[in-house]
Amino acid sequence: AQKITQTQPGMFVQEKEAVTLDCTYDTSDQSYGLFWYKQPSSGEMIFLIYQGSYDEQNATEGRYSLNFQKARKSANLVISASQLGDSAMYFCAMRESPNTGNQFYFGTGTSLTVIP
Amino acid sequence: AAGVIQSPRHLIKEKRETATLKCYPIPRHDTVYWYQQGPGQDPQFLISFYEKMQSDKGSIPDRFSAQQFSDYHSELNMSSLELGDSALYFCASSLPDWGLAYNEQFFGPGTRLTVL
Repeated sequence: AQKITQTQPGMFVQEKEAVTLDCTYDTSDQSYGLFWYKQPSSGEMIFLIYQGSYDEQNATEGRYSLNFQKARKSANLVISASQLGDSAMYFCAMRESPNTGNQFYFGTGTSLTVIP
Repeated sequence: AAGVIQSPRHLIKEKRETATLKCYPIPRHDTVYWYQQGPGQDPQFLISFYEKMQSDKGSIPDRFSAQQFSDYHSELNMSSLELGDSALYFCASSLPDWGLAYNEQFFGPGTRLTVL
């Protein structure tokens, strides 16, 4: 079964508006971490934001915030005041308890296009 | 700040040839991960090393092998290359786990391998 599901292959947003990228996850671990990465066309993976399973507050990093709904197993990324430079692929990833492995599980990604 | 270094950045090989990809982690990072990202795909975990020992194994073909050396750099050796091996290969590094689910993996810029 897919551990990370991103149901939006492509999204468009007007410059300066906010956009939400969806991510749901599947794990039976109590301790896990959720990450969002941005991958521009140049290919590098850029870390954006992290949410721990025990964190009670939603994570925020500048214009990025994570809408964490643990009961629904969702960790949506919200980008506020979109900029043209935000156009890229966005991957949601999960790392389960270290006891069950070190690897990151990635979703299939969402391609975001910011329209001027 | 120092980042993960991967070399070469681009590599073109013929079918059935061999290739060696190198990864130099961030100083003091003792854990290295390898991921393969096919065209339009999400990154897939191949293998990881902690303190020069293999720690996890993912979907790495038998034709591939990897190791981590005493200076913590890692090499991914790929033999009998196939057309389907054409992909972006990421190396990531992280600090020791210390039993934490949060342990950000810092990604290198990737090596783009093209098999003709």
